[in-house]
Amino acid sequence: AQKVTQAQTEISVVEKEDVTLDCVYETRDTTYYLFWYKQPPSGELVFLIRRNSFDEQNEISGRYSWNFQKSTSSFNFTITASQVVDSAVYFCALSEARGTYKYIFGTGTRLKVLA
Amino acid sequence: NAGVTQTPKFRVLKTGQSMTLLCAQDMNHEYMYWYRQDPGMGLRLIHYSVGEGTTAKGEVPDGYNVSRLKKQNFLLGLESAAPSQTSVYFCASRDPGRNTEAFFGQGTRLTVV
Repeated sequence: AQKVTQAQTEISVVEKEDVTLDCVYETRDTTYYLFWYKQPPSGELVFLIRRNSFDEQNEISGRYSWNFQKSTSSFNFTITASQVVDSAVYFCALSEARGTYKYIFGTGTRLKVLA
Repeated sequence: NAGVTQTPKFRVLKTGQSMTLLCAQDMNHEYMYWYRQDPGMGLRLIHYSVGEGTTAKGEVPDGYNVSRLKKQNFLLGLESAAPSQTSVYFCASRDPGRNTEAFFGQGTRLTVV
């Protein structure tokens, strides 16, 4: 069965600190997709990144970076120099690359960035 | 393009009442999904559709029905609402033929009293 675990329920940091959100996944598929979404207080889901299982290259986008390691089945998300606007719930998700293409979500990590 | 639009955005129901949530997408996507979000549980799949006229059960289908009569619309029905169905509902669509993510609606906050 597929599963996504976000062990950190809530994290609080002071502005300008770096913070890493952990994501561990389980799947028997050899081809799959991984995602990160941000859910700000307004409630919508904001797409951040998609990663194909064949692409283990890490990615950086501004203050955001992602570390994908198949050997440990992890897809961690780091925010550098956090800002108050980063306060949100962050979801990691796993998707099949065949069949239903459905998402399996983690339970989310609530990040609070304090001024 | 509007993307994925959910109607309504908020609703309060009394126990036993029925209602239909509408999801409309204008991206010609084949696949559509209904999820519910509850505190501490992430998003869980209720029902999904892989094409017009087809529907299938997801992880938590009990108490819900769906229909996909038109490709662009995916309806989620609650025949007899229960307080346990108080949740935020998200609709999503996806094109599996392209290497893209799913597109989510803005969510519907439903309270059953």
